[in-house]
Amino acid sequence: GQQLNQSPQSMFIQEGEDVSMNCTSSSIFNTWLWYKQDPGEGPVLLIALYKAGELTSNGRLTAQFGITRKDSFLNISASIPSDVGIYFCAGRSMDSNYQLIWGAGTKLIIKP
Amino acid sequence: DAGVTQSPTHLIKTRGQQVTLRCSPKSGHDTVSWYQQALGQGPQFIFQYYEEEERQRGNFPDRFSGHQFPNYSSELNVNALLLGDSALYLCASSYQQGNQPQHFGDGTRLSIL
Repeated sequence: GQQLNQSPQSMFIQEGEDVSMNCTSSSIFNTWLWYKQDPGEGPVLLIALYKAGELTSNGRLTAQFGITRKDSFLNISASIPSDVGIYFCAGRSMDSNYQLIWGAGTKLIIKP
Repeated sequence: DAGVTQSPTHLIKTRGQQVTLRCSPKSGHDTVSWYQQALGQGPQFIFQYYEEEERQRGNFPDRFSGHQFPNYSSELNVNALLLGDSALYLCASSYQQGNQPQHFGDGTRLSIL
């Protein structure tokens, strides 16, 4: 089935560093969503994007809907220990009949 | 305001058995979607229910079936369980179909022996 390419697969960073991750697709998407999943829990919605070029912030998190509509980026500024977890991008496109398609996740690990 | 709740949290079954998982949507939501999440992967869409009918379906066999009740709660049934069905099963709810963000429960961890 249709897949999103999410990178990096994992990140080891120091507390206080900024983090960037992205998702790309071969299809045009009309919605991009970013979720965070902690162990033993379901994904929690962080940011939703609906327009090409849209830039939306949620606290220290900022996400952008790429101009080509085939990619999206998530940035986390000044990381803190509770940012640890797995971040997923997800999107909807006409090709997927508007079903939510997910990336494989980016695992964020903060070095003590 | 209760979020999405799923039961049970964990379940162990053997091959060939049948299982029923349950989901209550977030208050005010009327659409329920089910996902399968294998270890180390993103969720895979199984199907979506709205107005008590299956509206969309992902690439899953007929062994996977569901139901939505008048109070918007939903069940996922899996027949003839296979080892490969071991996964975290997530329920997500939203308001009406379309482009509304989905809110997830904490899932049911299903292990097949």
